[in-house]
Amino acid sequence: GAGVSQSPRYKVAKRGQDVALRCDPISGHVSLFWYQQALGQGPEFLTYFQNEAQLDKSGLPSDRFFAERPEGSVSTLKIQRTQQEDSAVYLCASSYQGRDTQYFGPGTRLTVL
Amino acid sequence: GNSVTQMEGPVTLSEEAFLTINCTYTATGYPSLFWYVQYPGEGLQLLLKATKADDKGSNKGFEATYRKETTSFHLEKGSVQVSDSAVYFCALSDSNFGNEKLTFGTGTRLTIIP
Repeated sequence: GAGVSQSPRYKVAKRGQDVALRCDPISGHVSLFWYQQALGQGPEFLTYFQNEAQLDKSGLPSDRFFAERPEGSVSTLKIQRTQQEDSAVYLCASSYQGRDTQYFGPGTRLTVL
Repeated sequence: GNSVTQMEGPVTLSEEAFLTINCTYTATGYPSLFWYVQYPGEGLQLLLKATKADDKGSNKGFEATYRKETTSFHLEKGSVQVSDSAVYFCALSDSNFGNEKLTFGTGTRLTIIP
């Protein structure tokens, strides 16, 4: 069956541009997570959705980061006025319920020049 | 807060060697523990997990035992293969209102040479 998909796979942005990263979770999965993985590091939690409700956004590094999941399926992570330190791989994961195994997408590699 | 410390890499072994990748954790509650693997060019995949003390997770010849007394979850394999070359991440989740967000270690790059 289809896994978690993310688009685009690669994104190059000039400093100051806005970007939008999309995540399509596994159909029927209630929980959705976003993580940020800097080069050579482990993923770090950004935000969590249960259906359309954003229950935890404690990991978002600044108010330039915004995530939504309006219909409880597809999610978008938006970064406004990108900075060089935003360069990273952004991972999306979904699970049937919060306590179940998280399935990860391939990630979007964002490079800010 | 929660944290995971794992053995720094890179680790290079010959085929059929014994593998141990150390992982220790700090958590406020009763976490579940995981090993994820990232093969070259692929996304993160769950390798194994354990949800309570003394549980042993196993998959594809890999094993790890949840040791509460030493707060450890070391990954072992008796005889590694070239196809095991990947980056391995130790992680924990500590339920907070049902949010099973994962806290990861920095990863250990493993290379197996024939």
